[in-house]
Amino acid sequence: ILNVEQSPQSLHVQEGDSTNFTCSFPSSNFYALHWYRWETAKSPEALFVMTLNGDEKKKGRISATLNTKEGYSYLYIKGSQPEDSATYLCAFYSGGSNYKLTFGKGTLLTVNP
Amino acid sequence: EAGVVQSPRYKIIEKKQPVAFWCNPISGHNTLYWYRQNLGQGPELLIRYENEEAVDDSQLPKDRFSAERLKGVDSTLKIQPAELGDSAVYLCASTRKTGLEQFFGPGTRLTVL
Repeated sequence: ILNVEQSPQSLHVQEGDSTNFTCSFPSSNFYALHWYRWETAKSPEALFVMTLNGDEKKKGRISATLNTKEGYSYLYIKGSQPEDSATYLCAFYSGGSNYKLTFGKGTLLTVNP
Repeated sequence: EAGVVQSPRYKIIEKKQPVAFWCNPISGHNTLYWYRQNLGQGPELLIRYENEEAVDDSQLPKDRFSAERLKGVDSTLKIQPAELGDSAVYLCASTRKTGLEQFFGPGTRLTVL
């Protein structure tokens, strides 16, 4: 059973604060790490797919880094806005033809205006 | 491009009743997944289809759960009879055969009383 851990479980920040969360995953048999944002009553939305050690990706105010050797990824949000409030999920993919993702439990972010 | 469509969005039933969920993937996506997300947990794979073939149903509780994708397009997931522990969000996702990124529907929130 693959173990994908996310921390913190939940986070409350004020509008304008910058924040970050962590996803840890097995460092062996790594193929890809996905980040999703899931707003209440909407579909989970893919943010990043990361495959290379040292990879850094950015989309607007959100960025992510990847360390496959030590098995972790950070997601950063700069200048949080209320619309950033959502659950952020990471999912680990170890390769193979089944494309099976193993998800963490998510970090619930609440941004207060 | 239309996203993954799921219905119903919400369902409340009494235990021992049957229930069915429907999913229409993105056009051209050959691979379809059903996930279940229990409260406080990450989504967990129930079954994966490649076209009309169920290629991974190892996590599907076959005593009460069944799924079909007869024409390789839309899919139905059924529970009969439902138990209290089946209360969860049921997510459908799709991807192109060789793609990594999975596109999710908004899910069906099932409550079993």
